[in-house]
Amino acid sequence: DIQMTQSPSSLSASVGDRVTITCRASQSISSYLNWYQQKPGKAPKLLISTASSLQSGVPSRFSGSGSGTDFTLTISSLQPEDFATYCCQQSYSNPPTFGQGTRLEMK
Amino acid sequence: QVQLVESGGGVVQPGGSLRLSCAASGFTFSSYGMHWVRQAPGKGLEWVAFIRYDGSNKYYADSVKGRFTISRDNSKNTLYLQMNSLRAEDTAVYYCAKDVGIYGDYGVLDYWGQGTLVTVSS
Repeated sequence: DIQMTQSPSSLSASVGDRVTITCRASQSISSYLNWYQQKPGKAPKLLISTASSLQSGVPSRFSGSGSGTDFTLTISSLQPEDFATYCCQQSYSNPPTFGQGTRLEMK
Repeated sequence: QVQLVESGGGVVQPGGSLRLSCAASGFTFSSYGMHWVRQAPGKGLEWVAFIRYDGSNKYYADSVKGRFTISRDNSKNTLYLQMNSLRAEDTAVYYCAKDVGIYGDYGVLDYWGQGTLVTVSS
C-alpha cells in the first residue's frame, strides 16, 4: 500500500496568514492526490482533486500543487472558517490511502 | 442536491454483527461507484471498501477482508456494509461516500454522508 505522510501534524496560525501543508507519498502517484477538509463532528469535504483542481464552490484562496511524491496545499489568506483538519489522499492505486491529517488551529 | 444518509450504527459485542445502510438521493445512484470509509475516535480516515456502480466489482481493505461485505440495491438507491466478526479495533464512525467518476472508479470521494458510529465493546 502507498503510505501518505503529512507535515506538520498540527499548525497554529492567525486570520490572514498564508499557510502551507505538505503531503508526501511513499512512491510516485503522478497527480492522483486529493485534499479534504474536515471540521469537528462533520464529514470530510473534498477541496482539491488531482493535485490542483479546485472543486466547485471552494474559495480561490485554496490551491494545490505538486506531482510525483511531493504535494502542497496552500491557503493564501486564512479565514475564520478555515480552521479545521486537512487530509491528503492518493487515488493512484488501490487501496486509496489517506495521510494522518494536519490540524490547523487558531493562534 | 446530493444527500447520503447512513444508519445502522450502534453498540455491539466483540464477535457480533451489524449492517450499515446508506440512503442516497440527488444523483443517479446506479451510475456511480460508492465507498465506505471509517474514522476511529481521534484518528485519521481509513478507506474500508468500494463497490462499482453495477455491483460487479468490490474491493476491501486488508483489515476487513473476509469479515465485511459491501453491497448495493440500485432499485432502492441504497448502499450497505455487512460487518461480521467485529473487533474492538473496528470501533469508528463509518462514512459512505460517492466516487466522482461516472461508471468508473476514480478513488476521489466527492460527497460524504454524516457518518454513523459503531462501537464494539463488551
